[in-house]
Amino acid sequence: DAKTTQPNSMESNEEEPVHLPCNHSTISGTDYIHWYRQLPSQGPEYVIHGLTSNVNNRMASLAIAEDRKSSTLILHRATLRDAAVYYCILRDGKSGNTGKLIFGQGTTLQVKP
Amino acid sequence: KAGVTQTPRYLIKTRGQQVTLSCSPISGHRSVSWYQQTPGQGLQFLFEYFSETQRNKGNFPGRFSGRQFSNSRSEMNVSTLELGDSALYLCASSLVGTSISEQFFGPGTRLTVL
Repeated sequence: DAKTTQPNSMESNEEEPVHLPCNHSTISGTDYIHWYRQLPSQGPEYVIHGLTSNVNNRMASLAIAEDRKSSTLILHRATLRDAAVYYCILRDGKSGNTGKLIFGQGTTLQVKP
Repeated sequence: KAGVTQTPRYLIKTRGQQVTLSCSPISGHRSVSWYQQTPGQGLQFLFEYFSETQRNKGNFPGRFSGRQFSNSRSEMNVSTLELGDSALYLCASSLVGTSISEQFFGPGTRLTVL
């Protein structure tokens, strides 16, 4: 599985946008970019995923670089509840059926009031 | 719709004992995966079951095993517990478990080995 690189930690102020970067320079053409987050004392939860085009949902936006070697998770207005560890994960779309997720160390996001 | 449930939530065992953890997936989900989370190693994939068959396995010793029942409920077993097995064990379910399907995680079972 291709690897991802994320900053260990980031800080944000409440109600400001947050841009969480992820580098994946060895991404293959069939790898999907997934983001999960883990709130304190909870299991991880799905945030968003994409392949080539930018994606939006009610939680966040995912901006994918044109060469797909990096991506950015965008939280448009951070709230205290968004303080969590954010994981950027690549999943191979041609490897067949698998629910397996390979987690890296993730980015710990702190949100200041 | 009820989420993924795991029982028990907390467990204390001693070295050498064995333990069984249970996971009930979201109704209709057929894929169940297990993960171990520790401060040092982070989240690591243990194994995945689909339709009662193990479909993927992580790099863990044979002391770690699991199974899935016909109703998709899953159990994992750890035999001959070691101190290093102290961790949060998370279960995740998905509808069919493809590489793009959303995984839904339970709250985890916190295992402490003394």
